[in-house]
Amino acid sequence: NAGVTQTPKFRILKIGQSMTLQCAQDMNHNYMYWYRQDPGMGLKLIYYSVGAGITDKGEVPNGYNVSRSTTEDFPLRLELAAPSQTSVYFCASSVTKDTQYFGPGTRLTVL
Amino acid sequence: AQSVAQPEDQVNVAEGNPLTVKCTYSVSGNPYLFWYVQYPNRGLQFLLKYITGDNLVKGSYGFEAEFNKSQTSFHLKKPSALVSDSALYFCAVRDTNYGGSQGNLIFGKGTKLSVKP
Repeated sequence: NAGVTQTPKFRILKIGQSMTLQCAQDMNHNYMYWYRQDPGMGLKLIYYSVGAGITDKGEVPNGYNVSRSTTEDFPLRLELAAPSQTSVYFCASSVTKDTQYFGPGTRLTVL
Repeated sequence: AQSVAQPEDQVNVAEGNPLTVKCTYSVSGNPYLFWYVQYPNRGLQFLLKYITGDNLVKGSYGFEAEFNKSQTSFHLKKPSALVSDSALYFCAVRDTNYGGSQGNLIFGKGTKLSVKP
């Protein structure tokens, strides 16, 4: 039981490049989330999903896209990376919407 | 607007002393409140939650939190701090607004706890 896994751990992008952050969970949780964490700003919700095939925007969705084709996977796509997207990205999952289990994070730098 | 406030960016405590990390909230309706902890270079870990019932909630690693409805607070406490408790602590509240965001968590900015030997 690996819990929530995220890849890659670190990534440096150039402005305008694209990439996909991978997230997978093996707990059969319906709810999955993507957050970004900026220093002194706490966590901001980017997108979330209540089940396979269902996604919705969070507080800061601009510049990102998601898909949820299976219960296990919830990839986050960055199109046309910008310096403002430099952050640490966390994926989480939960049975209900409250007690969430977090992955180890992906540290992204856009130069 | 629904929100969570953690008024202290950092709390410094000597090992063995009691610690308190403060949290206040603003939501409509009954609050569902949570504390998470983040150790360096790790994801957040659930500590405890208040849904209903006893105002004093006990959680992992000897932590507890006291819900105070009149003061809209949910302070995290521990009777005797350990150096290993040093971490970033986040308070969160469930979004009660009607709509798609209902049920999602709203996080505070976090409080860095530093416990010195």
